[in-house]
Amino acid sequence: GAVVSQHPSWVICKSGTSVKIECRSLDFQATTMFWYRQFPKQSLMLMATSNEGSKATYEQGVEKDKFLINHASLTLSTLTVTSAHPEDSSFYICSARAGLAQDTQYFGPGTRLTVL
Amino acid sequence: EDQVTQSPEALRLQEGESSSLNCSYTVSGLRGLFWYRQDPGKGPEFLFTLYSAGEEKEKERLKATLTKKESFLHITAPKPEDSATYLCAVSHASGGSYIPTFGRGTSLIVHP
Repeated sequence: GAVVSQHPSWVICKSGTSVKIECRSLDFQATTMFWYRQFPKQSLMLMATSNEGSKATYEQGVEKDKFLINHASLTLSTLTVTSAHPEDSSFYICSARAGLAQDTQYFGPGTRLTVL
Repeated sequence: EDQVTQSPEALRLQEGESSSLNCSYTVSGLRGLFWYRQDPGKGPEFLFTLYSAGEEKEKERLKATLTKKESFLHITAPKPEDSATYLCAVSHASGGSYIPTFGRGTSLIVHP
């Protein structure tokens, strides 16, 4: 089956620093990747959609300058949380889709970010 | 605006006690309906994709069905390892891309 990895699985950082999270599709080419945020006992909140080689499309209310998304290749997307603050602490999950003809998203294992 | 409502929010079953989870949806131009399983602290695990009313898919003790307004995830003779949150999502066409909308999930606990 399709495998998506994320790195790191957890990270703790100081307030004001930037954190980069990587999302890789290991056995397929992902033309589209999604980034989600999930709070405890809440459902997934879509942050942005990115297509390879294009700028990400951010959902309403998500700050583009704070959450930088780069989908540089068909197997790699990165999310950088810039100048992180405690309120950015959350569980971040990426997903990847092979293409429009392949509707199913496959999710990564998630990254737990804690900002002190 | 797409809406996905899952019920119940939480469900407790005894091992072997079959039940169903519901996913009601409102979407313009349904592309697909998806079921995922999510364990605590992990990303969702794909279970099924359904495309048209009347379609059914099965995997072990799980069976997903789809109508024009809702989907059911039937769990037959559940085991404790089936305990998880089950998420439903729908996608529709939006400017050439298919944007998913997720429900809040049903938290299932199966007691031995």
